[in-house]
Amino acid sequence: DTGVSQDPRHKITKRGQNVTFRCDPISEHNRLYWYRQTLGQGPEFLTYFQNEAQLEKSRLLSDRFSAERPKGSFSTLEIQRTEQGDSAMYLCASSPAGGGYTFGSGTRLTVV
Amino acid sequence: AQRVTQPEKLLSVFKGAPVELKCNYSYSGSPELFWYVQYSRQRLQLLLRHISRESIKGFTADLNKGETSFHLKKPFAQEEDSAMYYCALRSLGTYKYIFGTGTRLKVLA
Repeated sequence: DTGVSQDPRHKITKRGQNVTFRCDPISEHNRLYWYRQTLGQGPEFLTYFQNEAQLEKSRLLSDRFSAERPKGSFSTLEIQRTEQGDSAMYLCASSPAGGGYTFGSGTRLTVV
Repeated sequence: AQRVTQPEKLLSVFKGAPVELKCNYSYSGSPELFWYVQYSRQRLQLLLRHISRESIKGFTADLNKGETSFHLKKPFAQEEDSAMYYCALRSLGTYKYIFGTGTRLKVLA
């Protein structure tokens, strides 16, 4: 197991386009998290899954954002009708129950 | 509201000098506190969690509930400690973390 994998590493998209990011967690971890990080800020919580159930969503996650974790394995984060304000690093992390996070390398989104 | 404050954006120290990275939090219950580190071109990784009460790479952090602080300390800084450090809080009953804005530590030769 090589840790938490995120794909793609970088994504440049035009405003108004839809984008989808993928996260593959550590296989033994049943919890998966998405965070967003903008320049000069710490990571901000977006949502988290326990197995396939999405248990918590931040108010940061507008209607244009949706996340899924089918079968409790990998997860996808989709942003519809991207805006320039969506430009950020999108981080995925996973953890076992009661354990600390293991982060992926992130997907850097640039909306032009 | 829950909040984590790291008052210093940048901390520069000379090699061999003591280091203290400050972290204050606001939370009415019993939080779980963490320090995460991000070295250049690497992913965020867990450095310390307060419940472990261990020393990692010479760093220690003590939770002070009276002062609501969780400062990270190391007696003698090394050049390889240069990195971005984030303090994070997890409140009881949730699995989301609240991160501070981070402190960049530069250890000068």
